[in-house]
Amino acid sequence: RKEVEQDPGPFNVPEGATVAFNCTYSNSASQSFFWYRQDCRKEPKLLMSVYSSGNEDGRFTAQLNRASQYISLLIRDSKLSDSATYLCAVNMGSGRAGGFKTIFGAGTRLFVKA
Amino acid sequence: DTGVSQDPRHKITKRGQNVTFRCDPISEHNRLYWYRQTLGQGPEFLTYFQNEAQLEKSRLLSDRFSAERPKGSFSTLEIQRTEQGDSAMYLCASSPPTGSNTEAFFGQGTRLTVV
Repeated sequence: RKEVEQDPGPFNVPEGATVAFNCTYSNSASQSFFWYRQDCRKEPKLLMSVYSSGNEDGRFTAQLNRASQYISLLIRDSKLSDSATYLCAVNMGSGRAGGFKTIFGAGTRLFVKA
Repeated sequence: DTGVSQDPRHKITKRGQNVTFRCDPISEHNRLYWYRQTLGQGPEFLTYFQNEAQLEKSRLLSDRFSAERPKGSFSTLEIQRTEQGDSAMYLCASSPPTGSNTEAFFGQGTRLTVV
């Protein structure tokens, strides 16, 4: 089983739609959670961190469910510019004191159509 | 530019040759990561440094791969006897020494093509 798994894509949605992505992680000791955005042939960039109480940034809402070990990302009122790959990421201990590594899911491709 | 810098941006090499990539992290970041990414996949963890110490190396990583960070600043990733399956984007990322709840900042990557 992969350490971080995401919904298979692609998601094709019209402008203005609401779309949700889910992600599960296997290591219950995982400590921090993130969503990254990656545009075609570009490096990943942080979209938002995911906090235990859930958090919102404009049209984007992230949720964390530690009991079920999944995180989600909701995008409301989709824009053409939201078309990208969304990567779920989890920080976990690297096996040595004080060390952390970030493990990524395979990503979910989103296409927003006019 | 104070972001993560990788060099070269592109590398084409013949099978069997050795290649070396360089990463310069953000100056105050003590954590440095190498990832490999192929088309349609997320970044795959390769190895992690905290200062000059290599704290973890993926079990999936062949012995042909080695990474160093001799002075805790820049890092190099070497691939010996390259194979066509090594063709991928090699991404470097760094993060600051402020606990686990910190994002990774990525460089633009080195795209390797083995012919």
